[in-house]
Amino acid sequence: EPEVTQTPSHQVTQMGQEVILRCVPISNHLYFYWYRQILGQKVEFLVSFYNNEISEKSEIFDDQFSVERPDGSNFTLKIRSTKLEDSAMYFCASRTGFSYGYTFGSGTRLTVV
Amino acid sequence: AQRVTQPEKLLSVFKGAPVELKCNYSYSGSPELFWYVQYSRQRLQLLLRHISRESIKGFTADLNKGETSFHLKKPFAQEEDSAMYYCALQNYNAGNMLTFGGGTRLMVKP
Repeated sequence: EPEVTQTPSHQVTQMGQEVILRCVPISNHLYFYWYRQILGQKVEFLVSFYNNEISEKSEIFDDQFSVERPDGSNFTLKIRSTKLEDSAMYFCASRTGFSYGYTFGSGTRLTVV
Repeated sequence: AQRVTQPEKLLSVFKGAPVELKCNYSYSGSPELFWYVQYSRQRLQLLLRHISRESIKGFTADLNKGETSFHLKKPFAQEEDSAMYYCALQNYNAGNMLTFGGGTRLMVKP
């Protein structure tokens, strides 16, 4: 069964550093998403991406965040200058245009120290 | 604004007992609701969607628009059902983003 792949599984970074989280969505999927879950809190929507542009973003997704699909397979989330409160589990997801359900990756745990 | 509430953080039952995981929502349009499950150390997986009215792994969920609920039920819990369960609402008017409830941890004891 096809999977959404995320790398790395765990990243530790110093406050103020840039970090890039990588995702390889399922190849025939058209819609791509990032969600995050701070420890003990809800899974929260960050951004959706379709046709090479952002289609929706939440209030969390401020100027420090950006997404890219540079080569038609990878889908990346960049945080320019990390803060302690960015520590969370980040989930990538994708879906086709024809099904409602998402396929999630296994997540990247980001720890900002 | 849309909202999903799962009132129980933890539900503990014995094997063979009935299970009901509660989910309530608020949404101004016609809701599209889902249950996702996360087994230990695994990824979030789609379990059920209300539109298909299916039964997966013995679980069912009925949308009650009057009570704005979408509770997940199983008549006889199994140990392998132990997991985190998330109720989620999909917003077609906002990039099909999902709004999740806080999740309920189901523990099925032998």
